[in-house]
Amino acid sequence: DIQMTQSPSSLSASVGDRVTITCRASQGISNYLAWYQQKPGKVPKLLIYAASTLQSGVPSRFSGSGSGTDFTLTISSLQPEDVATYYCQNYSRAPRTFGQGTKVEIK
Amino acid sequence: EVQLVESGGGLVQPGGSLRLSCAASGFTFSTYSMNWVRQAPGKGLEWVSYISSSSSTIYYADSVKGRFTISRDNAKNSLYLQMNSLRAEDTAVYYCARDLIPRGLSAFDIWGQGTMVTVSS
Repeated sequence: DIQMTQSPSSLSASVGDRVTITCRASQGISNYLAWYQQKPGKVPKLLIYAASTLQSGVPSRFSGSGSGTDFTLTISSLQPEDVATYYCQNYSRAPRTFGQGTKVEIK
Repeated sequence: EVQLVESGGGLVQPGGSLRLSCAASGFTFSTYSMNWVRQAPGKGLEWVSYISSSSSTIYYADSVKGRFTISRDNAKNSLYLQMNSLRAEDTAVYYCARDLIPRGLSAFDIWGQGTMVTVSS
């Protein structure tokens, strides 16, 4: 099975900061990588798919990059409403594994 | 409005069974592959199972293989998860989630609100 490893596990940043979360796959998954945002007590929301395609309605401050085994989610200017846990997911094959999550807080 | 609504969760004893349902509306259910994803209290997301639009392809996570069965009824716009031989570690919120694109490999764009399953004596 493909393992997905995110780093860091948590981070604290100031409003307006640029935030970067990384996700590494244990083997190549091309660009079959998604990012989800889950706010406290809420349902996960798709942010990015195909590693870099922004889902409809998602603010443009979110962006994704990478291919193969190394991927990045970037928030260009952190906003208070971005407080959430972010998950990457491999969907290149079953099992469609998620990373362990990165909790983002405001400093 | 595109919507998924889960039901069927509850408290069950270890070794017991439960059947979850997911009612779909607002889109052509029969053309989309579907999934179950779970989240234990305070933990991350765990993909559980996948079923293709025609039910011809089914996958399970190793943690539930042989105990859980995914199925669908396209005439009723419904997805199901039959859970047998339940264990304490199956305690979680269970979400149904739709594949973004009808065919091929896809992320999950629509999620239900989740239904809580608690396995405890």
